[in-house]
Amino acid sequence: AQTVTQSQPEMSVQEAETVTLSCTYDTSENNYYLFWYKQPPSRQMILVIRQEAYKQQNATENRFSVNFQKAAKSFSLKISDSQLGDTAMYFCAFYNTDKLIFGTGTRLQVFP
Amino acid sequence: KAGVTQTPRYLIKTRGQQVTLSCSPISGHRSVSWYQQTPGQGLQFLFEYFSETQRNKGNFPGRFSGRQFSNSRSEMNVSTLELGDSALYLCASSVPSGGAYEQYFGPGTRLTVT
Repeated sequence: AQTVTQSQPEMSVQEAETVTLSCTYDTSENNYYLFWYKQPPSRQMILVIRQEAYKQQNATENRFSVNFQKAAKSFSLKISDSQLGDTAMYFCAFYNTDKLIFGTGTRLQVFP
Repeated sequence: KAGVTQTPRYLIKTRGQQVTLSCSPISGHRSVSWYQQTPGQGLQFLFEYFSETQRNKGNFPGRFSGRQFSNSRSEMNVSTLELGDSALYLCASSVPSGGAYEQYFGPGTRLTVT
């Protein structure tokens, strides 16, 4: 069975700085998809970024980028130029057969 | 396009009662998934519907059920409520995108069982 592990329960970063959130996963499949979701205190889950396993190029979305290491089964999220609005829970998720398997989340606090 | 809507947003029930939660997906989305979020267990997949058919089911007891209507709206039902059913229930609608279904979440229904 697939599992997703986020080893950092909480992190903090100063505004304008860069922070990296870690995620590892376990699967025997070769083709799959990985996602990062953000859940602000208002609770609406928002898709941040996605990565297809068959693509070697790391995905980027504005200030958000990933470091995808397929062999190491690692999928970290880098947030550049952190903003106060980035304060949220961040969930790493593995997409498999029509369902998402989530990690336990990392609570990110951005300080002014 | 309007986002995923869930009703009600908050609900308080007592043990033994049953509850029905509703989810309206984004227009054009035919797949709806349900997740339970609790502090202890995190986010867990309940089930997924596509074109009124349940395609996938998580590891939850039979007290948890769902259905999808022809307009893609979905409901989930929990019968004989237990205290442990207190949770945030999230609905997500999705559309095929490059081989995967990108899921877009609603605001959730906060269920409290007393």
